[in-house]
Amino acid sequence: EVQLVESGGGLVQPGGSLRVSCAASGFIFSDRYMDWVRQAPGKGLEWVGRIRNKANTYITEYAASVTGRFTISRDDSKNSLYLQMNSLKTEDTAVYYCAGDKGGGYFDYWGQGTLVTVSS
Amino acid sequence: DIQMTQSPSSLSASAGDRVTITCRASQNIDRYLNWYQQKPGKAPKLLIYASSSLQSGVPSRFSGSGSGTDFTLTISSLQPEDFATYYCQQSHKIPLTFGGGTKVEIK
Repeated sequence: EVQLVESGGGLVQPGGSLRVSCAASGFIFSDRYMDWVRQAPGKGLEWVGRIRNKANTYITEYAASVTGRFTISRDDSKNSLYLQMNSLKTEDTAVYYCAGDKGGGYFDYWGQGTLVTVSS
Repeated sequence: DIQMTQSPSSLSASAGDRVTITCRASQNIDRYLNWYQQKPGKAPKLLIYASSSLQSGVPSRFSGSGSGTDFTLTISSLQPEDFATYYCQQSHKIPLTFGGGTKVEIK
């Protein structure tokens, strides 16, 4: 059974940092591109960024709204994906989902999400 | 960035109805269009990829069509479990972008 389990969400002050993680199982994690998608409370879906697989040299790509502040990384030996978030803003408040990219830029695997709240 | 516009933003329908949701891209995206279903408090679920390919395990009452800039998601006979919000998403260019969603409610 495919599982993606996010962790590490919580309350952080504006300007602070947080790292969320995603533990994968049930599929060959190292073969996949992996993405982060977020959803602000009561709003739609927003793509945050992606990390390609080793065959594609782990290239990372980001949405303009997070470029320079967020960093995506992965550890294939641990089947884990990470999102390091720095200089957080109140508008970064959202549920953050990790998602498995089938290779065509669409997401067939999703985690349950972790809530990040940026507030003073 | 490619803007994705869905219509309507919400609709009311009855079980058994045929429902059509449209999605328009701000530029040509060939067939790089995907559809998701999301229920409250849950993660999205992939329904259709590459405009018309049905994801494994998704009921055949769901279908997708279109190319270029105009796309549709059709539910041939709405079932009680289909009441949810539906999102389109383009995968033609980075940044990947989603439509604003269509909420399908019970009439």
